[in-house]
Amino acid sequence: DAKTTQPTSMDCAEGRAANLPCNHSTISGNEYVYWYRQIHSQGPQYIIHGLKNNETNEMASLIITEDRKSSTLILPHATLRDTAVYYCIASNSNSGYALNFGKGTSLLVTP
Amino acid sequence: EAGVAQSPRYKIIEKRQSVAFWCNPISGHATLYWYQQILGQGPKLLIQFQNNGVVDDSQLPKDRFSAERLKGVDSTLKIQPAKLEDSAVYLCASSLGDRRYQETQYFGPGTRLLVL
Repeated sequence: DAKTTQPTSMDCAEGRAANLPCNHSTISGNEYVYWYRQIHSQGPQYIIHGLKNNETNEMASLIITEDRKSSTLILPHATLRDTAVYYCIASNSNSGYALNFGKGTSLLVTP
Repeated sequence: EAGVAQSPRYKIIEKRQSVAFWCNPISGHATLYWYQQILGQGPKLLIQFQNNGVVDDSQLPKDRFSAERLKGVDSTLKIQPAKLEDSAVYLCASSLGDRRYQETQYFGPGTRLLVL
């Protein structure tokens, strides 16, 4: 699985958009970009995933660059409940879609 | 839909003792994963099952860790004997296991183990 690089921490004001970047310059053509988050003392929670095209669901939007070397997770209107560690992971069927977690980005949403 | 269940939620043992964790995946999910999460780090995959067969156990310390999923549903993870560095949260996750589609994993709340 390709290695991903994320900032260690970020802050965001409540109600504003949170944009979390991720670099995955060695991603292979069949690896998907997955985003999970982990709220304190809970198990990780799936957010969204994509291959080439931008994706949107009820939780977030995922913007993947055309060369697929980086992506951005967007939480359009961050709330205090979005405070969590966000993990960007590249995965495919070769690894049985097992997740190789890094340290993620610790997002703090402030009032 | 019930989520992934794990028990116990907390366990404190002394080093060299044995401990076992139990996981009940989401009904119908063929793939089951065990992860270890040490404080301050992301989860690390220990073992992956597809039904009752092992897909990947390359990061499982087999001298002390064992896992089984005998009937392809519930799973147990055992540590014998435990070391201080085994103190961590042990997370169980499951997914449908249909290789035609990208897999989404659903995680349980985890078991917090403290080895003294």
